[in-house]
Parts: sequence; structure tokens; C-alpha cells
Amino acid sequence: DAGVIQSPRHEVTEMGQEVTLRCKPISGHDYLFWYRQTMMRGLELLIYFNNNVPIDDSGMPEDRFSAKMPNASFSTLKIQPSEPRDSAVYFCASSFLAGGQETQYFGPGTRLLVL
Amino acid sequence: GIQVEQSPPDLILQEGANSTLRCNFSDSVNNLQWFHQNPWGQLINLFYIPSGTKQNGRLSATTVATERYSLLYISSSQTTDSGVYFCAVLPNYGGSQGNLIFGKGTKLSVKP
Repeated sequence: DAGVIQSPRHEVTEMGQEVTLRCKPISGHDYLFWYRQTMMRGLELLIYFNNNVPIDDSGMPEDRFSAKMPNASFSTLKIQPSEPRDSAVYFCASSFLAGGQETQYFGPGTRLLVL
Repeated sequence: GIQVEQSPPDLILQEGANSTLRCNFSDSVNNLQWFHQNPWGQLINLFYIPSGTKQNGRLSATTVATERYSLLYISSSQTTDSGVYFCAVLPNYGGSQGNLIFGKGTKLSVKP
């Protein structure tokens, strides 16, 4: 399997622009997670889906952030409008719950810089 | 909420040395994972280990759930082991299934 795929790998944008990050989870995985990593706050869970349904979005910073999972093989995280404080590395991860084990596999991340 | 503390925060080793990284957590957990983030930023899952001991090559991990800690052992370290090691836990008190709580990590530098 190719692993979790994220695009773009790098994104530079100006404040106020819309940013869309994309993720393709590992085939067969039924959980998908979006994380954000910054120096100040470390790794934080933003939202996660189970079987394409959002389960917990309590980590989403504010209404400027939205996430969708229209099918089992694709998810997007959108920021509109973007702000400089959104600059971070955004990771997507996927997993499946098998026999109580839930090992999360991370994508390579999208490095976002908002100017 | 649950607290996850990792020690030491930074570690410098000479190639070939052994090391032990520690993760303490403040409440019972039903999921504990160790990750390695390499210098290029990639996060790689090393172990799923809510209890017991596992080994994978030069790496091994032990979790003593009743005492709320986990240890990651690296033997015969190599320069490719450099990076940040994260411990992440899922609390056992009815929280979200997927809400892994990450520690701040141990930054390891292995010198040739």
C-alpha cells in the first residue's frame, strides 16, 4: 500500500486566501484523523472521522476551519480565510480498529505558510 | 484531562550507545503508541503497546499500565535514529475513541 497520501506537500499563501488540504487514507482504514503540529502547541488533533462521519471536531480552532470526508478514500481540510497563525504542518492519519488495536499511520504532512 | 510527560526532553548520544526514553501518564489508558518523527518530519509508528513488552529489531518498548508509564529502549543507536520520539495515549475514561493525546517528545541526536 502507498500509505497515507497528502497534497500539497507545501503551500504558501497570503492572509485571507482559502486553503484546501487533501488526504487519501490507507485503503480499508475506517478512521481518518487531521492533526496540526506547531512548535508552541505540539501535535493537536483537529477532527476525526469514522466511516466517513465526523465524530469529534472539538479540536477545530474556529469556524474558519472545516473538514469533509465525502467517501472512504478522500478527505479535505479547508481554511477560509487563512491567517498567519494557521501556519503549521498539517498531518492526516488513518487507522482501523482490529481486535481493539488502533495503530495510526501518518501521512507526510502539508507544510502551510500563511504570509 | 490526562497529562503525558516525556523525559528527557533532549538526548545526545554517541553512535552505538543505548538509551531509554520514558513516558508517564496521569490516568489509565487503553491505547499507547510510540512514534518517531524523523528530521524530514515524517511520523512513523513504532509500537502499539497499551501494556506489556514488544521488540522490533534494536527497539523495544515496555508499558506498565498499572504504574502509568512506558519505556522505549534503543540499543546500539545509529545516526538514523535521530529525530523526535513521541508517546501518545488514549484515555480510558470514555473520551473520544480517536483522541490520542501526544506528549511533547524527546529529541534524540545521535552523533557519528
